[in-house]
Amino acid sequence: AQRVTQPEKLLSVFKGAPVELKCNYSYSGSPELFWYVQYSRQRLQLLLRHISRESIKGFTADLNKGETSFHLKKPFAQEEDSAMYYCALSGTQGGSEKLVFGKGTKLTVNP
Amino acid sequence: EAGVAQSPRYKIIEKRQSVAFWCNPISGHATLYWYQQILGQGPKLLIQFQNNGVVDDSQLPKDRFSAERLKGVDSTLKIQPAKLEDSAVYLCASSDYDRFVSYEQYFGPGTRLTVT
Repeated sequence: AQRVTQPEKLLSVFKGAPVELKCNYSYSGSPELFWYVQYSRQRLQLLLRHISRESIKGFTADLNKGETSFHLKKPFAQEEDSAMYYCALSGTQGGSEKLVFGKGTKLTVNP
Repeated sequence: EAGVAQSPRYKIIEKRQSVAFWCNPISGHATLYWYQQILGQGPKLLIQFQNNGVVDDSQLPKDRFSAERLKGVDSTLKIQPAKLEDSAVYLCASSDYDRFVSYEQYFGPGTRLTVT
């Protein structure tokens, strides 16, 4: 079964500090991992996906298959990074491809 | 391009009543999803359509929930009768489709349902 765990419900950092949002997954096959973000009063939207291996808004995430993790990192947090972050896994289950989300981490960047 | 549209944005009903939600996906997107997001949790897939066919409805409570996608475009999700535990935000999303690629899902604003 596919499972995504985000151990921190809330995370608070100061502007300019490094930030890491943790994500662990459980999946028997070869997963595709994503980070989605929801800013206040906005829609849920894709932030980045592991196959792209790119940095979006200063965020990066590396897939570590040995530790089954896909942590989201940014070296210097900004106030506009305050949002709800969801880690998601795409895998094939029951013959169809399904996106499974974690419970999310609310990031607050304080001035 | 216009995004995924949903209506209504808010709905309050009493338990045992019926309710319907509407979704208009991004033009040309073959795949449409309905998610349920209960407060404090991530979105949970209820049903996935490929054009007008159902790909996955394994987590749809079929005794009370139903969904259809007419002509492979708009979709409606219905709850009949509603229970208190159905209080949630119902999200619609759409994406392109290719059997070898997972495309980005584009989400609508959601419908917040409160069952009293």
